[in-house]
Amino acid sequence: RKEVEQDPGPFNVPEGATVAFNCTYSNSASQSFFWYRQDCRKEPKLLMSVYSSGNEDGRFTAQLNRASQYISLLIRDSKLSDSATYLCVVNTNAGKSTFGDGTTLTVKP
Amino acid sequence: NAGVTQTPKFQVLKTGQSMTLQCAQDMNHEYMSWYRQDPGMGLRLIHYSVGAGITDQGEVPNGYNVSRSTTEDFPLRLLSAAPSQTSVYFCASSYSTRANVLTFGAGSRLTVL
Repeated sequence: RKEVEQDPGPFNVPEGATVAFNCTYSNSASQSFFWYRQDCRKEPKLLMSVYSSGNEDGRFTAQLNRASQYISLLIRDSKLSDSATYLCVVNTNAGKSTFGDGTTLTVKP
Repeated sequence: NAGVTQTPKFQVLKTGQSMTLQCAQDMNHEYMSWYRQDPGMGLRLIHYSVGAGITDQGEVPNGYNVSRSTTEDFPLRLLSAAPSQTSVYFCASSYSTRANVLTFGAGSRLTVL
């Protein structure tokens, strides 16, 4: 079983739709959690950190459930520019970052 | 402020050749790491370093060597290239292992024939 597992996708949604991505992790010692965005053939970039209390950044909301070892990302009012691959990342305190395989989102007009 | 700089951007090797992928950061980051990304897959950790003189293996270290003689540089050496090492390689750094928000280089695309 992989340490970090994501929805396989792909997700194809119309503009304006709400879409949610899920991620589970197996290492209960994991300390910090992130969502990164990766555009085609480019380097990943931080989208947002994920906190236990949940956090929001504009149209994006991230949630963490430590008991279930589950992370989610909700995107509201999808834009064409949201089309990308979204990577769930889990870190241990020793600094090791483990990436999920990513979920690809395509937003269509 | 250049961030994380990787060279070369593209490289073609023959099986058995050796080469070094360079990575440098100018942000005084403690933590540096190398990942590989194969088509349709996430990033897999090859090696990482929590400071100058300290390195450790990640998930897929075989066939690769690293060293960290300075805070700024973290080169990745392919000892004897194999077609299975055809991939995109990303170097990443962060301020510390605790605040581990990664800044990535632009990637190095390696093809081994």
